Amino acid sequence: DGGITQSPKYLFRKEGQNVTLSCEQNLNHDAMYWYRQDPGQGLRLIYYSQIVNDFQKGDIAEGYSVSREKKESFPLTVTSAQKNPTAFYLCASSIGTVGTEAFFGQGTRLTVV
Amino acid sequence: KQEVTQIPAALSVPEGENLVLNCSFTDSAIYNLQWFRQDPGKGLTSLLLIQSSQREQTSGRLNASLDKSSGRSTLYIAASQPGDSATYLCAVEGGGSNYKLTFGKGTLLTVNP
Repeated sequence: DGGITQSPKYLFRKEGQNVTLSCEQNLNHDAMYWYRQDPGQGLRLIYYSQIVNDFQKGDIAEGYSVSREKKESFPLTVTSAQKNPTAFYLCASSIGTVGTEAFFGQGTRLTVV
Repeated sequence: KQEVTQIPAALSVPEGENLVLNCSFTDSAIYNLQWFRQDPGKGLTSLLLIQSSQREQTSGRLNASLDKSSGRSTLYIAASQPGDSATYLCAVEGGGSNYKLTFGKGTLLTVNP
């Protein structure tokens, strides 16, 4: 089945730790995105990538880093510099041209303990 | 900066009722508008995509309309069922934000048996 796989589903982070969220897609999409969802707020864009080896900051990139070494993979690292990392993280992909449909994974819930 | 508003924030209806969810956006220079469904703790499922040149799209009991000039979209759900209970999110691409979606905060729909 084609789709977007995010792992793990739940992740716990201690203060001062970096953690990496995985996102893999087998839709052959060029563009991939990371969004953050907080209660009572709309989804906010963290980073996006339109092509391999290239990515751009979104609206809330501070404290996060990404890489795009393969077309199918777009991992997100939440660094210790992110002051409030507890949230639901969603990965998405699209064909990559403007105006095309976006598809989402099932999300990773990150909690700081 | 594009802003998306969804009204109402929550809606409770009896099974079988027809209902309308509303979405408005501030910048009409959009490429498309997409409606999503989100179940608790899950990712987003794409329901309908309306290109900027289109007026409406239909899928089963769902019909979405777009009035780009007035910055409005509606999602019509016919003969609602308890399984329709979820949060419905509206998102637009464009209006100063190419290649990314700007989301509303969603409408939480409850359909009572």
